[in-house]
Order: sequence, then structure tokens, then C-alpha cells
Amino acid sequence: EVQLVESGGGLVKPGGSLRLSCAASGFTLSNHNMKWVRQAPGKGLEWVSSISSSSSSIYYADSVKGRFTISRDNAKNSLYLQMNSLRVEDTAVYYCARDQGAGGGYSFDYWGQGTLVTVSS
Amino acid sequence: DIQMTQSPSSLSASVGDRVTITCRASQSISTFLNWYQQKPGKAPKLLIYATSTLQSGVPPRFSGGGSGTHFTLTISSLQPEDFATYYCQHSHTTPQTFGQGTKVEIK
Repeated sequence: EVQLVESGGGLVKPGGSLRLSCAASGFTLSNHNMKWVRQAPGKGLEWVSSISSSSSSIYYADSVKGRFTISRDNAKNSLYLQMNSLRVEDTAVYYCARDQGAGGGYSFDYWGQGTLVTVSS
Repeated sequence: DIQMTQSPSSLSASVGDRVTITCRASQSISTFLNWYQQKPGKAPKLLIYATSTLQSGVPPRFSGGGSGTHFTLTISSLQPEDFATYYCQHSHTTPQTFGQGTKVEIK
């Protein structure tokens, strides 16, 4: 059974840092591009970052570029999001998601349960 | 960046109704359009990818259509478990932006 489990969320002051982790199981992580998507309270979904299967291609939303860093360790079946210089507007539930690849129209077929990041003084 | 606009933002419908949600892209995305369902407090669930292909396990009352810039999600006969928020998303280029969502409520 495919599972994605996020961890690392919590309450942090503006300007602070957090590192989110996403533990993958039930599939071979190295075969898939992976994503981070966030959802502010009561708002819609926002794509945050993507990383290719071998980490050779990485992309960020303009809203987080220069502050967030996505990475992965295929040997540990894990995806990460290092978040620095956090702002109040980064408050959201952060989801990791699996990209189905070309055969699935590059859609996101499995999602974690999400981890809440709250940025507040 | 490609902008995705859904309409309506919300709708009220009854069990058994046929419901159609529209998604428009700010430029052509071919058929790189996906639909997700999200219930309160839960992660999104993939319903349809590549405009019209049903994800495994999704009931056939869900269908998708369109191409270019205009797309639709149709629920042929609304069921109690379908009351949720629906999002379109393009996967044509990065950033893979989402629509703002359509909340389907019980009439």
C-alpha cells in the first residue's frame, strides 16, 4: 500500500525555520518525481515545489523561492522541505504528493495527510 | 504562469442531480488537466487526469472533458459522499497551478 507520511510541522516565529519530512512507503521513491503542496486555512491548494526523481530538476513557486529548499534521499525513502525566513503568510497545511508521471498526465495520485505549519509571534 | 479559473465557486445541489463544474486556463494546456476532490480535514484525492481518464477506483458517475483552455467535470448523479470541494489543476508546465476550487453543498 502506497503511503506518504509528513512530519515536522509546528509553531514557529516569523523569521524562523522548520524542516518538513515526508516518509514514503509501498513504492519505489526513486521512480517518481515528488511535490510539496500547501493549503492556507480556509483557502485553496497552492503548488510549492517539485523535485525530479534524481534531484536533477527542482522548481519553486515564486512565493517561496530563495527561502525554501526541497530535497530527497531515495535510499531513505524520504522527501524534505527546508523552510527558512518563514512569514505569517506561510501558515498552511503542507502536503507531499507523488507525481504519476507521463502515463498519468503528471497528476498527483497519492498525498500525505498533511502537516500544519503555523507562523506567528 | 498559467492561471486556472473555476466556475462556479460554489453550488447547491440535491442527491441525484447532474452537476457540471467548469475550469478555464489562461492559455492552451492541451489535455494536461486534472481534477481533485477534497473533503474537510482530508488530503485531496485524484479523480480524473489528462482531462478525461478516471483514476483507478473512482466511480463512473464522474467524467471529464474539454481541451485547450476549456474543461468540465461532470457528476452524472450526485451522491451524498460527493459533497466536497473540487479543484482543477494543470500539469502542462511548472508551476502546476490549481483553480480556486468549487464547493458542492447540499441543497
